[in-house]
Order: sequence, then structure tokens, then C-alpha cells
Amino acid sequence: DAGVTQSPTHLIKTRGQQVTLRCSPKSGHDTVSWYQQALGQGPQFIFQYYEEEERQRGNFPDRFSGHQFPNYSSELNVNALLLGDSALYLCASSLNLVYEQYFGPGTRLTVT
Amino acid sequence: DAKTTQPNSMESNEEEPVHLPCNHSTISGTDYIHWYRQLPSQGPEYVIHGLTSNVNNRMASLAIAEDRKSSTLILHRATLRDAAVYYCILRDRRTSYDKVIFGPGTSLSVIP
Repeated sequence: DAGVTQSPTHLIKTRGQQVTLRCSPKSGHDTVSWYQQALGQGPQFIFQYYEEEERQRGNFPDRFSGHQFPNYSSELNVNALLLGDSALYLCASSLNLVYEQYFGPGTRLTVT
Repeated sequence: DAKTTQPNSMESNEEEPVHLPCNHSTISGTDYIHWYRQLPSQGPEYVIHGLTSNVNNRMASLAIAEDRKSSTLILHRATLRDAAVYYCILRDRRTSYDKVIFGPGTSLSVIP
């Protein structure tokens, strides 16, 4: 049983560009959450998707947007990249009414 | 969101028990106490959670104070593989789709 997978593993982008990160949830999970983790800090919640809708959102600007597909996979899009967007982006999946979240290995984004 | 406070870092000798404390004085009656840990270069992984009673699983034990204002994660025999950042998190059981708020966590070092 595959766990949460994320792609790509690493990514280098230039300021002002746009990026799309992808996440496939653990088999049987229907809820996907995205987090941003700066070096040396705990993960910061970006947003959560369930039934293809954004259900909760953290304190992130509208440059951060997402999507969930009918197969429960999800994308995180970041527009107009800033240097401060450099971080590890984590995807976590969970099953409705079950609280434990399963995290993927993350995508390391570097903005130059 | 109810907050938690943890020591920034702790050290333990290999094969000795480790007690990781967490204070959550503003916890509400509907908050579950969750623990996650993040090994180097990996996404966080679920460790354990509880509401009022002490809990045990194959990874650890969770001791919850009677007033629920603090809790302690207990690793019975620390191994080198337990060196990680440990996060104590509160999650409201009234909703399935809540955001998970991570603090800076406790960085545990295990000395051989």
C-alpha cells in the first residue's frame, strides 16, 4: 500500500514564476492538506481539501491556490514566486472522521 | 486556536526512557492532544493521540494530566532512530476538517 506521494522531489524556480506541486494521498484517504515548512520551523498549514473543495485555509495569500481531483489527488499552485516562498512543501492525507494525518516526504522548492 | 508550549530541545541516552512535556493551559473540552514527530529529511509522522485517559501504542505512551492542561509523551527506551523533532498539537474534535497547527516542537537528541 503506497503512502502519500509527492512530486517533484526538488524544484528550482526564479522570482515571479509560477509553480505547481502534486500530491497523491494514501490509498482510501479522501482529505488532503498542504503545509509549508521553512528551515528550522514547524510546518505551517496552507489549506485543506475535501470533496474537491477548499474546507479550511491558513494565513497564506491568494497567490497560493489548490485543487483536488475526483481521484482525491491534489495540486498546490503558487503564483508570482517570492524568495520567501523557498521551503519544504508537505502534503498530508487523512480519512473522513479519522484524525491522524499521513504526510508525504515533501517537495523542496528553491526560489532564486 | 489553542496553543501548546514545549521545550526547544532535550537530550536522552540511548536505551533510557524519555519524557517529552507539553503544556496546553488553554485547552478546551473538545480538544484532542496529538503528537507527531519528524525525522531528519522526512515528513512528520503520527505518533499518538488522546483525550482524557492515558494511551499506549507500539511507538509510545501518552500521559495526560487530570486537568488536561499538560501532557507527556513517553518513549520507553530511546533508540538512535528516535532522534527527531516532536510536535504536540491540539485538534478540535467538533470538526473533522480542522487545520493542524504545528509549533516549533522539541528537538530530541539521543546519545549513544
